[in-house]
Amino acid sequence: DVVLTQSPLSLPVTLGQPASISCRSSQSLVSSDGNTFLNWYQQRPGQSPRRLIYKVSNRDSGVPDRFSGSGSGTDFTLRISRVEAEDVAVYYCMQGTHWPPWTFGQGTKVEIK
Amino acid sequence: EVQLVESGGGLVQPGGSLRLSCVASGFTFSENWMNWVRQVPGKGLVWVSNINGDGSRTSYADFVRGRFTISRDNAKNTLYLQMNDLSGDDSAVYYCTRWFDSWGQGILVTV
Repeated sequence: DVVLTQSPLSLPVTLGQPASISCRSSQSLVSSDGNTFLNWYQQRPGQSPRRLIYKVSNRDSGVPDRFSGSGSGTDFTLRISRVEAEDVAVYYCMQGTHWPPWTFGQGTKVEIK
Repeated sequence: EVQLVESGGGLVQPGGSLRLSCVASGFTFSENWMNWVRQVPGKGLVWVSNINGDGSRTSYADFVRGRFTISRDNAKNTLYLQMNDLSGDDSAVYYCTRWFDSWGQGILVTV
């Protein structure tokens, strides 16, 4: 199974400052068709997960442009350019290249300093 | 607007059974793979099972294979998860999700 390792697991950030979360995969997430199925999710307290980014860098509809995804192969990053109060949440990466099973990272908790 | 509404959760004794349902709306249900993902409160997300559009292909996580059965009724736009031989380790919030882009509100199962 593909193991996704996120870091850090806890990220205190000052409002208005940038934040960056890393997701490293135990094997390349490039599929045979050339796509890389790595998604990012936001889960606010008491809510269901919400997809923010799909296939590494594509923002979902309605997602603020302060969120961006990048990376390739085994190393991926979610960046928030300027953290706002509403961004307090746990963020997960998920891979859908090598399935089953689909696997998630452990989650990174973003909080305001 | 895509909507997924789970039901059927609750408290069950170890060794017991429960059937979860997920009613879908806002999209062509029969054309979409569907998944169940679970989350122990305060912990991470774990994929449980999925099924293709016509119900002919299913996959399961190792820890539920042989105990859980995923199915669907496309005429009713409903996804199911039959859970048998439940243990405390199965206590979690269960989410249905359409190919991981849209998610239900989740339903709590306590064993």
